Amino acid sequence: NAGVMQNPRHLVRRRGQEARLRCSPMKGHSHVYWYRQLPEEGLKFMVYLQKENIIDESGMPKERFSAEFPKEGPSILRIQQVVRGDSAAYFCASSRDRLGEQFFGPGTRLTVL
Amino acid sequence: GQQLNQSPQSMFIQEGEDVSMNCTSSSIFNTWLWYKQEPGEGPVLLIALYKAGELTSNGRLTAQFGITRKDSFLNISASIPSDVGIYFCAGQGISTSGTYKYIFGTGTRLKVLA
Repeated sequence: NAGVMQNPRHLVRRRGQEARLRCSPMKGHSHVYWYRQLPEEGLKFMVYLQKENIIDESGMPKERFSAEFPKEGPSILRIQQVVRGDSAAYFCASSRDRLGEQFFGPGTRLTVL
Repeated sequence: GQQLNQSPQSMFIQEGEDVSMNCTSSSIFNTWLWYKQEPGEGPVLLIALYKAGELTSNGRLTAQFGITRKDSFLNISASIPSDVGIYFCAGQGISTSGTYKYIFGTGTRLKVLA
């Protein structure tokens, strides 16, 4: 039973470049959530997706950030024109049901130079 | 964004001691969960609570869902060095506007002295 997979584990980008973070949910899970964590802080909800639909994106910045969860393939969190303030750990979680327990991936640590 | 208040923020304890931490909110949740996060890793689910008043154990860990549905408690008995990490609570439910909410606490950083 594979857990939630995220790649890459570490990503370095220069200011202005694009960052793409991938998340494959646990087998049997069709609900995906993205969180952001700054050093020494808690997790901040960004977006909740179910296959091909964005359910709640209230935590995601209106500009430069987008997320998708296509019918086939992993969920993608995309950050365009990255800035230094985007440097953080981004975690993906998945659940079987809408209000089910969330299981987390190992995270992607984004560093913007 | 909204976060739950956890206390204490951090604690140093001696190996073998019991540990207590809690999480409070101004709003009601349907589910309370407790996670542990170690450096460089994602949070790992420890315990999930589904009913007000529920008391659930997982090995040396015991958690309770507060009667008011606005708080939860986690206890660790006879702590060991590998208990080191950050413990997060999370509340889950539906907001008054009908939107989904899954809110994390600010974390309790636990350090165990051998």
